[in-house]
Amino acid sequence: DVKVTQSSRYLVKRTGEKVFLECVQDMDHENMFWYRQDPGLGLRLIYFSYDVKMKEKGDIPEGYSVSREKKERFSLILESASTNQTSMYLCASGDRASYGYTFGSGTRLTVV
Amino acid sequence: QKEVEQNSGPLSVPEGAIASLNCTYSDRGSQSFFWYRQYSGKSPELIMFIYSNGDKEDGRFTAQLNKASQYVSLLIRDSQPSDSATYLCAVGTGNQFYFGTGTSLTVIP
Repeated sequence: DVKVTQSSRYLVKRTGEKVFLECVQDMDHENMFWYRQDPGLGLRLIYFSYDVKMKEKGDIPEGYSVSREKKERFSLILESASTNQTSMYLCASGDRASYGYTFGSGTRLTVV
Repeated sequence: QKEVEQNSGPLSVPEGAIASLNCTYSDRGSQSFFWYRQYSGKSPELIMFIYSNGDKEDGRFTAQLNKASQYVSLLIRDSQPSDSATYLCAVGTGNQFYFGTGTSLTVIP
């Protein structure tokens, strides 16, 4: 079974802090994604990557950056956390959209 | 902006009934179609995928696709309380997914 591991299940950070969310997959997948999920808004794509050192902006990239130095690891960075970034963050990976993507267990981030 | 619309619900059905979940999408070039189940506080889990027009059955689940009408549905037969969850429709174009906002289903014992 594909495993997508997110480093933290729950995280509480202060406004203005730099926050790192880590995601690791064990299936040598090319494609990795970061989403945030909020009630009533569904899943919104923040950033995605099709290869090492490659990144593309999704629908809501403002306030975020990403890093993919190794194929198996895709990190989401909140440069200066704000309260409106309180959300559930979900990482996903897969080879192609036609095969479906697998999600990690999610990180519930609260910014206070 | 590619759009995926789902009937927002919430949907309640009695145990043993058929639950019907619907989804429409805007991009005619979409190639792959998925249903994810998400339990409260958990991450989405892929339960069905379909690529061709028609029906695809897997146990109690049937996915239906009509590309001409840009419509995807999920039928859950003999609904069980364990089916209570939010169901997300996802549409794949190229390497990207577009998700609906989900339909909340409650199966009443």
